[in-house]
Amino acid sequence: GAGVSQSPSNKVTEKGKDVELRCDPISGHTALYWYRQRLGQGLEFLIYFQGNSAPDKSGLPSDRFSAERTGESVSTLTIQRTQQEDSAVYLCASSSTSGGLGGELFFGEGSRLTVL
Amino acid sequence: QQQVKQSPQSLIVQKGGIPIINCAYENTAFDYFPWYQQFPGKGPALLIAIRPDVSEKKEGRFTISFNKSAKQFSLHIMDSQPGDSATYFCAASSGSARQLTFGSGTQLTVLP
Repeated sequence: GAGVSQSPSNKVTEKGKDVELRCDPISGHTALYWYRQRLGQGLEFLIYFQGNSAPDKSGLPSDRFSAERTGESVSTLTIQRTQQEDSAVYLCASSSTSGGLGGELFFGEGSRLTVL
Repeated sequence: QQQVKQSPQSLIVQKGGIPIINCAYENTAFDYFPWYQQFPGKGPALLIAIRPDVSEKKEGRFTISFNKSAKQFSLHIMDSQPGDSATYFCAASSGSARQLTFGSGTQLTVLP
């Protein structure tokens, strides 16, 4: 596939459980972003990876959230001890250059997380 | 300082109308202003973008107007079509930042 792939597309979990969301970026894209989109709201920046540089974690809302990326490939976003307010669509995007430098972000279709 | 304020939250126009979506920012370091379009169940996709060295950019039926002194920019959709019904997000960034700051989105409905 040529686009950004995210899995699972839908995840329903119980409060207090851990969840892992996966993102496969476009091959060759060095920049990778995670955003959160709550129902009817805008995109909230979570974390940014650029090559082998230290990630920008400034958007992570709490220490229950963490993300990893292996080289310039797959990334996983982990939410520990999920809460109902974590319910949202989690969007991953990749870019060949930094979004701040005008790079076009290519988004996946998102992972919809519902915490009961 | 990093916020981008977008209005209106929702907009309904008749086919052929010209919806206008507005965004305002505070950070004078912002130098890249894209608009993203999102259809239900899909991720946002880049629609058009502008840098502050020009006051207007047009691509097909979509035009960005940029007012640097007012720190505002807007999206105009000429001859709007029902297929344009989607959520539109403005965004901004500076070269020193590494991520885009998005507005809250405008849900556009174009009636047939």
